[in-house]
Amino acid sequence: AQSVTQPDIHITVSEGASLELRCNYSYGATPYLFWYVQSPGQGLQLLLKYFSGDTLVQGIKGFEAEFKRSQSSFNLRKPSVHWSDAAEYFCAVGSGYALNFGKGTSLLVTP
Amino acid sequence: NAGVTQTPKFRILKIGQSMTLQCTQDMNHNYMYWYRQDPGMGLKLIYYSVGAGITDKGEVPNGYNVSRSTTEDFPLRLELAAPSQTSVYFCATTLSSGNGNQPQHFGDGTRLSIL
Repeated sequence: AQSVTQPDIHITVSEGASLELRCNYSYGATPYLFWYVQSPGQGLQLLLKYFSGDTLVQGIKGFEAEFKRSQSSFNLRKPSVHWSDAAEYFCAVGSGYALNFGKGTSLLVTP
Repeated sequence: NAGVTQTPKFRILKIGQSMTLQCTQDMNHNYMYWYRQDPGMGLKLIYYSVGAGITDKGEVPNGYNVSRSTTEDFPLRLELAAPSQTSVYFCATTLSSGNGNQPQHFGDGTRLSIL
């Protein structure tokens, strides 16, 4: 079955610093991959998705992610983090009718 | 443009009580889902529906029931509330997805505590 692992439970970065959140997937064929963000008290919002084609995908809020088949990874990046990026980030893989989510990475942004 | 609306936003129940969590969407999406989110555990699928009159179990269906009489509504019912059902519940929708290639649209969640 398809699964997703987010190795980092918490990440702290300084405002203005670059960010990379890790996501590893387990899937036999080309996976459908997603990154979602959840602000406190809110639902999940789609940041970006990968289905096929260009392995570097651009999303909203200045985020991008790179699909690397050889590493079974789909890491999320942002060149310069803003305080408003503090949130929970979830990687997910499409699985039949639903999505399988990772356990999430909590991002703290310090001044 | 409401999207996915969940009610109530917060609720406290006593053990053994029952309640229905409401989910309504105005996007005319075929597929609807119920997830529960527990701290550090990500989202677990409870039930899903591929259209009116069709529902199926997800990963953690025990203690819950659903129905789908219309495209718009997908209520989740707890018959005998237990402390283990304390969680945040999210409803989500997608236009169609037979192979997981569609992003899902989420409501803001219902925070449920059972004491």
